[in-house]
Amino acid sequence: DTAVSQTPKYLVTQMGNDKSIKCEQNLGHDTMYWYKQDSKKFLKIMFSYNNKELIINETVPNRFSPKSPDKAHLNLHINSLELGDSAVYFCASSRSDGHYGYTFGSGTRLTVV
Amino acid sequence: EDQVTQSPEALRLQEGESSSLNCSYTVSGLRGLFWYRQDPGKGPEFLFTLYSAGEEKEKERLKATLTKKESFLHITAPKPEDSATYLCAVQPNDYKLSFGAGTTVTVRA
Repeated sequence: DTAVSQTPKYLVTQMGNDKSIKCEQNLGHDTMYWYKQDSKKFLKIMFSYNNKELIINETVPNRFSPKSPDKAHLNLHINSLELGDSAVYFCASSRSDGHYGYTFGSGTRLTVV
Repeated sequence: EDQVTQSPEALRLQEGESSSLNCSYTVSGLRGLFWYRQDPGKGPEFLFTLYSAGEEKEKERLKATLTKKESFLHITAPKPEDSATYLCAVQPNDYKLSFGAGTTVTVRA
């Protein structure tokens, strides 16, 4: 029974397209996150939602728009994809106080061609 | 700005050869320091949280320690299944986890 699940696992698309990545957690956590891992393996936070409310919004192009329909789901929509968007995107969740760490999904490898 | 630096970048060990990984950090107000393990093609897996200087946590062959400026992850008598990338992250008062670039550990039988 997967705790944090992301779909799809792989996404190959052409420049200029619009795509979405979905994330769901069944841990009862209040807070969810999107992280981007680049080719150098650096994990960088993009967004964080607490109880459906955006609380962290890093310097990310506004082509990226997160949406949280409820506290168990956090989706990421990307408009007008560019080559530099190619990376692995991880969804994560945690308790509001961050205790016991974040639980990560298995990642979505996005390749823009 | 919060900074997390991990060293070395890569570590190759013989099975049974103990070693340590370093994570040095600068952060304004540390709520917690986290260690994660990441296997190829998978998401980071939570290992430990340390909250205050002097704290230590252990799990099987891994032991994490924390000072005011750095944390160490000691691997005692490693086995090939300990091969992975080990990530350190700090959580300041704004709850945002900032990660280091990781140390990739390879343990040869």
